[in-house]
Amino acid sequence: DFVMTQSPDSLAVSLGERATINCKSSPSVLDSSKNKNFLAWYQQKPGQPPKLLIYWASTRESGVPDRFSGSGSGTDFTLTISSLQAEDVAVYYCQQYYATPITFGQGTRLEIK
Amino acid sequence: EVQLVESGGGLVQPGGSLRLSCAASEFTFSSYWMSWVRQAPGKGLEWVAIIKQDGTEKYYVDSVKGRFAISRDNAKNSLYLQMNSLRAEDSAVYYCVRDQGTDFWSGYDSWGQGTLVTVSS
Repeated sequence: DFVMTQSPDSLAVSLGERATINCKSSPSVLDSSKNKNFLAWYQQKPGQPPKLLIYWASTRESGVPDRFSGSGSGTDFTLTISSLQAEDVAVYYCQQYYATPITFGQGTRLEIK
Repeated sequence: EVQLVESGGGLVQPGGSLRLSCAASEFTFSSYWMSWVRQAPGKGLEWVAIIKQDGTEKYYVDSVKGRFAISRDNAKNSLYLQMNSLRAEDSAVYYCVRDQGTDFWSGYDSWGQGTLVTVSS
């Protein structure tokens, strides 16, 4: 099975500052034949279902603010929020959809410092 | 706007059964892979099962194999999850989810609000 490990488990960042969340997959989620990383990022606010932010590791979902960006390839990925806003307080999950069982990271809780 | 509305959750005793339903609307249901994802109270997300557009391929997480069955009725725009031999560890909010890809998986772009399943005596 693919194991997705996020770091840190929790993070406190000041408003307007950069927030960075990491996700490591084992094994790689890069499909060389398609040149795509089968990795997504989700945001979940309390009492709400998750929301897709990023797919193919770096493609922003329609309507997602451009302060959210995804990067990385193979086994190491990063979600960056360039300038933290109050509404970004949430739990963030990475997910691999390369193969079943589809797996999520354990989540990273992002708070305001 | 895509709509996914789950129903069928509730309180059930260990060893019991439940059938979850998901009513889909505002998109061509038969064109998409569909999944169930669950989340135990205060815990992270766990993928449960996925079904191909025509129902010919189904995949499950190991912990539910042989107990849960995913199915769909494209004529009724509905997704189902038959859950048998329920255990306390199956207690969770169950989300009906659409994979945005049509040719291959591409991430879950639409989620229902979820239905709560509680397994307890």
